[in-house]
Amino acid sequence: AQSVTQPDIHITVSEGASLELRCNYSYGATPYLFWYVQSPGQGLQLLLKYFSGDTLVQGIKGFEAEFKRSQSSFNLRKPSVHWSDAAEYFCAVGGSNFQKLVFGTGTRLLVSP
Amino acid sequence: DAMVIQNPRYQVTQFGKPVTLSCSQTLNHNVMYWYQQKSSQAPKLLFHYYDKDFNNEADTPDNFQSRRPNTSFCFLDIRSPGLGDAAMYLCATSRVAGLTDTQYFGPGTRLTVL
Repeated sequence: AQSVTQPDIHITVSEGASLELRCNYSYGATPYLFWYVQSPGQGLQLLLKYFSGDTLVQGIKGFEAEFKRSQSSFNLRKPSVHWSDAAEYFCAVGGSNFQKLVFGTGTRLLVSP
Repeated sequence: DAMVIQNPRYQVTQFGKPVTLSCSQTLNHNVMYWYQQKSSQAPKLLFHYYDKDFNNEADTPDNFQSRRPNTSFCFLDIRSPGLGDAAMYLCATSRVAGLTDTQYFGPGTRLTVL
């Protein structure tokens, strides 16, 4: 069965520091991979997605993610975090033969001054 | 500018008392989804409409129903809410079915069951 693991429930990063949020997936075929962000009081917003091709994907708000098939990972990165990045981040997987999103449980990012 | 609107944002109901959650969209998208997100858990798809075609997930309880009277509106009906149904309910839309098209989410309705 398809699944997503986000091993970090909470992460605290200093403003201006780099960020990496981990995501591991389980899927039997070539996955479609997504990162969403949920700010307080807001809906989920798509940051970036990977279907095929270049394994380094650029998204909105300065985020990027790298697909590593050998590690079944799709980690999200940002070189310099801003206070406004404090939110909950969800990784999700689907695929061409499984056309729905399966989400991880999320990682809450706290940004310290 | 709101594209996917959910009303109310907070809903309190009593155990066993039917409740309806509302979602509307200004995107004219064909597909509308309902997700359930319990505290500290992943959002989980309950069902979706592709136009008027209703698609129920296999593990969605019978207690949950949905209606889509027109393109813009979709409702989630919980016939007899239990304490375990307390959650955030997220509505989303996409232009077409399938994951290659982006899903746009509303802000959610937080349901409390007393």
